[in-house]
Order: sequence, then C-alpha cells, then structure tokens
Amino acid sequence: DAGVIQSPRHEVTEMGQEVTLRCKPISGHNSLFWYRQTMMRGLELLIYFNNNVPIDDSGMPEDRFSAKMPNASFSTLKIQPSEPRDSAVYFCATGYRGYEQFFGPGTRLTVL
Amino acid sequence: KQEVTQIPAALSVPEGENLVLNCSFTDSAIYNLQWFRQDPGKGLTSLLLIQSSQREQTSGRLNASLDKSSGRSTLYIAASQPGDSATYLCAVYEAAGNKLTFGGGTRVLVKP
Repeated sequence: DAGVIQSPRHEVTEMGQEVTLRCKPISGHNSLFWYRQTMMRGLELLIYFNNNVPIDDSGMPEDRFSAKMPNASFSTLKIQPSEPRDSAVYFCATGYRGYEQFFGPGTRLTVL
Repeated sequence: KQEVTQIPAALSVPEGENLVLNCSFTDSAIYNLQWFRQDPGKGLTSLLLIQSSQREQTSGRLNASLDKSSGRSTLYIAASQPGDSATYLCAVYEAAGNKLTFGGGTRVLVKP
C-alpha cells in the first residue's frame, strides 16, 4: 500500500486566494483526519470523518475553512480566502475503527 | 478537556546512552496511546501503539509503558544512535475512540 497520499506537498499562495489540499486515504480505512501543525500551537485536529461523514469539526478555526469527503477514496480541505496566519503544515491521517492512525507526508502551506 | 504534556521539550545525549521520554495526560479515561517520531520537515511515523488494556509495548530497541491510573506513559529507547535524533510525540485517543490529542513533543539529539 502506498500509504496516505497528500497533494500538493508544497503550496505558496498570496493572501486572499483559495487553497485546496487533497488527501487519498489508505484503502480500507474508514476514518480520516485533518490536522494542522505550527510551531506555536503544535498539532491540532481540525476535523475528522467516519465512513465519509463529518463527525467533529470543532477544531476548524473559521468559516474560511471547509472540508469534504465525497467518497471513501478522497478528501479535500479548502481555505477561502487564505490569510498569512494559515501558513502551516497540514496533515491528513487515516485509520480503521478508531484503532491506529497513519499520517501522510503533509502539505506545507505558505500564504504571503 | 484532555491535555497532554511532554517534558522535557528537548534532550541531548551521547551515543549509546538510553533515552527516557515522558508523557503525561490529565484524563485517565483514554482509549489507546500512540508514540510517533517526526523528522525535520517530514510527516509522523508511528512507533508504538499501546492499547488501554496493555501496560507496555515493545519493538526492537523501543519500549513504551502505560500507567493509566497515574496518567503517564514512558518511551524507552535503548542504546541510542545518532539516527534516533528526531522529535518524539505522544498522543492519546479519547475514550470515544477516534480523537487524538497530541503532546508538544520532545526534540532529541543523539551526539556521536
């Protein structure tokens, strides 16, 4: 298995632009998580899905952030409009039945 | 709200010395506990998962213990090597199963 796949690996954009991050989970995993990592706040859970349904989005910082999981093979995290304080590394992780989570390589986002 | 603390934030040891990394959590009603390794600019690699019914887990030179009643876990790395230099993160699963709360990590440097 290729593991959790994230794209792009790096994204540089200007303030106000829309940013879309993508994640392909490990086949067979039914839970998907989006995390954000910064030096100041460490790793924070933004939102997670079970069986493609959003379960807890209390970590989503603002309405500018949205996440979807249209099917078991794909999820997106969108920021619109982006701001410099959104600069961080965004990780996608997947798991099965709340057991063990496996992380993707992350997307390093820089908003100028 | 669950809080996870890792002390010290950074640690430097000579090669060959055993490493002891500490993790404490405020709510003992956890599901599982997972230790991760993160290399600079990289994603998270799972090292060990300890289920709530277990007291320890071992993999090669790594051994992790769990004491739920006292809210503590310890990761032991025997005979450290320069390649063990990384940040080590512990994370606890909430009793409901899915949500992971991370500690701030311990940055380890093993000097040759």
